[in-house]
Amino acid sequence: KQEVTQIPAALSVPEGENLVLNCSFTDSAIYNLQWFRQDPGKGLTSLLLIQSSQREQTSGRLNASLDKSSGRSTLYIAASQPGDSATYLCAVYGGNQFYFGTGTSLTVIP
Amino acid sequence: GAVVSQHPSWVICKSGTSVKIECRSLDFQATTMFWYRQFPKQSLMLMATSNEGSKATYEQGVEKDKFLINHASLTLSTLTVTSAHPEDSSFYICSAQGSNQPQHFGDGTRLSIL
Repeated sequence: KQEVTQIPAALSVPEGENLVLNCSFTDSAIYNLQWFRQDPGKGLTSLLLIQSSQREQTSGRLNASLDKSSGRSTLYIAASQPGDSATYLCAVYGGNQFYFGTGTSLTVIP
Repeated sequence: GAVVSQHPSWVICKSGTSVKIECRSLDFQATTMFWYRQFPKQSLMLMATSNEGSKATYEQGVEKDKFLINHASLTLSTLTVTSAHPEDSSFYICSAQGSNQPQHFGDGTRLSIL
């Protein structure tokens, strides 16, 4: 069964700092990988989707990479802002369902 | 973009009552809807998958008689938690998917059973 792990579980950084969130998965037979943002008590907002054939995707200050063979993905956030504070979830899609990681709780300190 | 509406966003009820949560796709036809549960500081876990007009497929360990799922139309699925107990308190999120389209998530329902 697919297992998705995210490190670190929590991260606190000063405003303006660049940061990297990590995601690893055990089964490389995935269709795609997606990064989501979740604010407290809210649903999911899709940030970036990387197809299995792609290596990275970029949107604004966000860059996500995928190394399917090693089962790893990273989410890079440049010039962090207090508004980036949220939980970031990594999810791999395969076998007709999502498998979610436990998330990284990010706090950006003004 | 595609919008999925989930209602209610928050519900508190007494132990033993049944609670219905609605998930609607507002601007597309959802051939498949998914129901997830998320306990505090844990990830989303898929509970069941439902296709319009068919019985839902439940994940291992999810009681189908306790969590009733109905997907009667291409825009609406409901999850009914029957005879809810405090251990059913959780955050429930639905997602909807059209044919050959990605999943779109609702904003979730926080269920608190007293």
